[in-house]
Amino acid sequence: ETGVTQTPRHLVMGMTNKKSLKCEQHLGHNAMYWYKQSAKKPLELMFVYSLEERVENNSVPSRFSPECPNSSHLFLHLHTLQPEDSALYLCASSQGPGPSNEKLFFGSGTQLSVL
Amino acid sequence: TQLLEQSPQFLSIQEGENLTVYCNSSSVFSSLQWYRQEPGEGPVLLVTVVTGGEVKKLKRLTFQFGDARKDSSLHITAAQPGDTGLYLCAGPGTASKLTFGTGTRLQVTL
Repeated sequence: ETGVTQTPRHLVMGMTNKKSLKCEQHLGHNAMYWYKQSAKKPLELMFVYSLEERVENNSVPSRFSPECPNSSHLFLHLHTLQPEDSALYLCASSQGPGPSNEKLFFGSGTQLSVL
Repeated sequence: TQLLEQSPQFLSIQEGENLTVYCNSSSVFSSLQWYRQEPGEGPVLLVTVVTGGEVKKLKRLTFQFGDARKDSSLHITAAQPGDTGLYLCAGPGTASKLTFGTGTRLQVTL
């Protein structure tokens, strides 16, 4: 138990569906992250939120839309995805995003399959 | 762009064997982290090395940071099935990013 909970664990969706991934952290951290993990590729940082403000957006397609209503919750809204978006989506949190060698606490991920 | 190359990509060994995995870069890092990701879970931080030449031990795991701070290694003694997983190194990149390596997938069989 890392203190970061992600739901759902598995998701299958069609290309025309709209779905949302949810992440909740119980660690009192100030920063939250979305990462994408694909086979044979390094972990890719998608978004960073610090104190509910987005501080990083790594040229992610607009079909991925993050939302951070408070410092404990993070969502990733998905719409009109492509099959190549199938991957493990990991949420993480840290005390703060300042120093880039901060310890990240990851959730168990949502395994997404786009048909 | 700072890249971290890990080798080998895959490793399958029997219980009780020793192994070493490597994390290499052409760039200098102020520190490096090692994570282990077990099947069906997210990565969990094992250790952070911050000084060139530093050696840290975590039970049967020994981590070393290269003198020039461009590489790191992880040595596992007497591997156990519980060591199975994806081992990732990561180092500070630009701004608030951690750059992750390509990973080494370890399978330890009985």
